[in-house]
Amino acid sequence: DVQLLESGGRLVQPGGSLRLSCAASGFNFNNYAMSWVRQAPGKGLEWVSVITGLSDNRDYAASVKGRFTISRDNSKNTVYLQMNSLRVDDTALYFCAKCGSGSRFSASDCWGQGTLVIVSS
Amino acid sequence: DIVMTQSPDSLAVSLGERATINCKSSQSVLNYLGWYQQKPGQPPKLLISWASTRESGVPDRFSGSGSGTDFTLTISKLQAEDVAVYYCHQYYSLPFTFGPGTKVDIK
Repeated sequence: DVQLLESGGRLVQPGGSLRLSCAASGFNFNNYAMSWVRQAPGKGLEWVSVITGLSDNRDYAASVKGRFTISRDNSKNTVYLQMNSLRVDDTALYFCAKCGSGSRFSASDCWGQGTLVIVSS
Repeated sequence: DIVMTQSPDSLAVSLGERATINCKSSQSVLNYLGWYQQKPGQPPKLLISWASTRESGVPDRFSGSGSGTDFTLTISKLQAEDVAVYYCHQYYSLPFTFGPGTKVDIK
């Protein structure tokens, strides 16, 4: 079974940094693009970032570009989201999601349970 | 950025009746369109990819149609377990975007 387990979310002050991790299992991790999607409390889904299997392409939403960095370690089957200069409006449940193929241009067919990031003073 | 809109915002349908959700993109996304179901406290679940391809294990009462800018998700005979928020999602053009969601309830 495909499993995605996010971790790293916590309460952080505005301007702070946080690194989220997503440990994957049950599929050939190298072969699939991976995404991060977030959901603010009581709100809809917002796409954040995507990375291809060999890390040759990475893309970001405008709202996080220049502040967030996506990366992956295929030897550890893990994808990361480094979040810097955090703002109150970054408060959300952050989901890790597996894309349906190695291409970024595919739907996300498996999602983790999410990790909660709260940015507040 | 491609803006995704959905209609209606919410709908209530009797058990066994049809529910129809519409999704419109601000420019063509060809068939790079997915539909997700999200129940309270759960992550989204992919129901339909490529506008009309049902994912493995998804009941056949769920169907997707459309291409270009106009898409539809149909639940042919609503069941109690279908109560959820449904999102459309375009993955044709970066940045990828989601619709605002449609809440489906039982009448």
